[in-house]
Amino acid sequence: DTEVTQTPKHLVMGMTNKKSLKCEQHMGHRAMYWYKQKAKKPPELMFVYSYEKLSINESVPSRFSPECPNSSLLNLHLHALQPEDSALYLCASSQVAGFTDTQYFGPGTRLTVL
Amino acid sequence: QQQVKQSPQSLIVQKGGISIINCAYENTAFDYFPWYQQFPGKGPALLIAIRPDVSEKKEGRFTISFNKSAKQFSLHIMDSQPGDSATYFCAAKRTQKLVFGQGTRLTINP
Repeated sequence: DTEVTQTPKHLVMGMTNKKSLKCEQHMGHRAMYWYKQKAKKPPELMFVYSYEKLSINESVPSRFSPECPNSSLLNLHLHALQPEDSALYLCASSQVAGFTDTQYFGPGTRLTVL
Repeated sequence: QQQVKQSPQSLIVQKGGISIINCAYENTAFDYFPWYQQFPGKGPALLIAIRPDVSEKKEGRFTISFNKSAKQFSLHIMDSQPGDSATYFCAAKRTQKLVFGQGTRLTINP
């Protein structure tokens, strides 16, 4: 089973709202990732968690706050977003964050910021 | 140095034909090269991947050719089918980071 699940599938929020995206995997993977994908563009890495610790933050604005409560769960907390943050947010996981570790992606959350 | 250049941006192939997508990279520290297939509204799905010590890898109708000296790799889809119509991304991996090409929108005409 190579499934990564994400909820919700769609999210519409105002610029003053606080919301969270959730990602879950049960493959025993110890690395989890958040990506942002704009239309007709490749995914862009935002954060990497390795063994539940944040290992990479690609200079993402503080209005995005990741959290890894345990090895199976990854959250992305959203606050005071801008309309340009509207995108598909993808979660991925891999066995470990290292050599030849295949990243498996979830279906994404389509976020619209009004 | 961190870029992966992918071509063409879009490709139209007749059913049964061969689809070829090319990628090039500069950073020799990349050590793993996966290809992802993405349908509209879905997340990318791993299609096939190769390590730089292998020159070719085949899985069903999908083949990766890898030229380490030229720093190029390509995806060949044999007997292309309408169901293969999707966006394809090549990628290159170094430590924890996956760098994607810009994508190729493939259309297979019936």
